[in-house]
Amino acid sequence: DAGITQSPRHKVTETGTPVTLRCHQTENHRYMYWYRQDPGHGLRLIHYSYGVKDTDKGEVSDGYSVSRSKTEDFLLTLESATSSQTSVYFCAISDGAGGRYFAGELFFGEGSRLTVL
Amino acid sequence: KNQVEQSPQSLIILEGKNCTLQCNYTVSPFSNLRWYKQDTGRGPVSLTIMTFSENTKSNGRYTATLDADTKQSSLHITASQLSDSASYICVVSGRNTGNQFYFGTGTSLTVIP
Repeated sequence: DAGITQSPRHKVTETGTPVTLRCHQTENHRYMYWYRQDPGHGLRLIHYSYGVKDTDKGEVSDGYSVSRSKTEDFLLTLESATSSQTSVYFCAISDGAGGRYFAGELFFGEGSRLTVL
Repeated sequence: KNQVEQSPQSLIILEGKNCTLQCNYTVSPFSNLRWYKQDTGRGPVSLTIMTFSENTKSNGRYTATLDADTKQSSLHITASQLSDSASYICVVSGRNTGNQFYFGTGTSLTVIP
């Protein structure tokens, strides 16, 4: 199994509070991703990182920010949580082998279940 | 628009029976297609990866096929077991966007004794 740890695994918070989810990897992979998974939707990309301090937005980035100050850590922050952000959040990593023509193996963490009341 | 569609949405089969899950995609130009298994409450785990030059790939009782001309893939599960109960997700990447992934909504498989 790829070394990916997400924390916290479960969190319940109230509307308007800030929340930070952490993804930690021990694989030294270049690419890290944050997805959210909701019933009736496939995994949707929030933000991704292609290196330390290099990040870009995904399709559902509104209300989320990210930071990557070290290769191994990728943080997802909800500045002011809303009920629509209740979801299961998955971190994924990829070594990017093959460059733009072929992504390497994509490994997922175990997920962080966030409930915003 | 790059899309991935899976069918059926859900499926119930008897233990020991075979089943086939379908994935159609519009991602172009195509690079590779992956099948993932996601157990309830867990993260997705890779079953197979196929590039545009591969037609079939097996992983134990799981066999994936790919027809890049018709943009279709299938995942065949042989002699199903109770532990096969999970969601199966099809993921496609494009050739010019190698590290961008397009996800299907998954097929929920339930294997009953």
